[in-house]
Amino acid sequence: GQNIDQPTEMTATEGAIVQINCTYQTSGFNGLFWYQQHAGEAPTFLSYNVLDGLEEKGRFSSFLSRSKGYSYLLLKELQMKDSASYLCAVRAGGGNKLTFGTGTQLKVEL
Amino acid sequence: ETGVTQTPRHLVMGMTNKKSLKCEQHLGHNAMYWYKQSAKKPLELMFVYSLEERVENNSVPSRFSPECPNSSHLFLHLHTLQPEDSALYLCASSHGSALNEQFFGPGTRLTVL
Repeated sequence: GQNIDQPTEMTATEGAIVQINCTYQTSGFNGLFWYQQHAGEAPTFLSYNVLDGLEEKGRFSSFLSRSKGYSYLLLKELQMKDSASYLCAVRAGGGNKLTFGTGTQLKVEL
Repeated sequence: ETGVTQTPRHLVMGMTNKKSLKCEQHLGHNAMYWYKQSAKKPLELMFVYSLEERVENNSVPSRFSPECPNSSHLFLHLHTLQPEDSALYLCASSHGSALNEQFFGPGTRLTVL
């Protein structure tokens, strides 16, 4: 089976930087995804990592270390609209089945 | 319509009712998924359809019955549900390739009385 851990809640200040960590244990690792989900809305895709290293996309970056089973999502220049749940999901094997963590509820304050 | 749409957005049903959830994708994808999202729990994959064939059934009780009549439509038929089945049911779609992300619909908030 797979096990994915991420913090339940985090709070950060507008304009600051926040790092949301995700650790996983799985066999046949084949990629890690980050999704953002605002309350009452659909999860939306943020990033995808399959090789070690950092992927940058505007204010959001995602890092992966396959040997450590570890990823983080980095959000810069935080805005109030970034308050949402951030879901870490791991794909294993040859198909497109994703296993999700419980999500990290981020609250951005003034 | 664009993206992935789901109807109804909210549904309240009794344990003896039969209802269906509908999902439609307008993205030209060939794989579709049903997920269950309960409070404080991870998104749980229920079913996967690829090219209109069911390729994954994650030990879901038979009171949930999926149907995929074509690559753009996915249904979840519900009957004799239990109160613990109350949750947000999310539909997603993707290209069949393993390298593509899944696009989610807004979900159906289901309450079973």
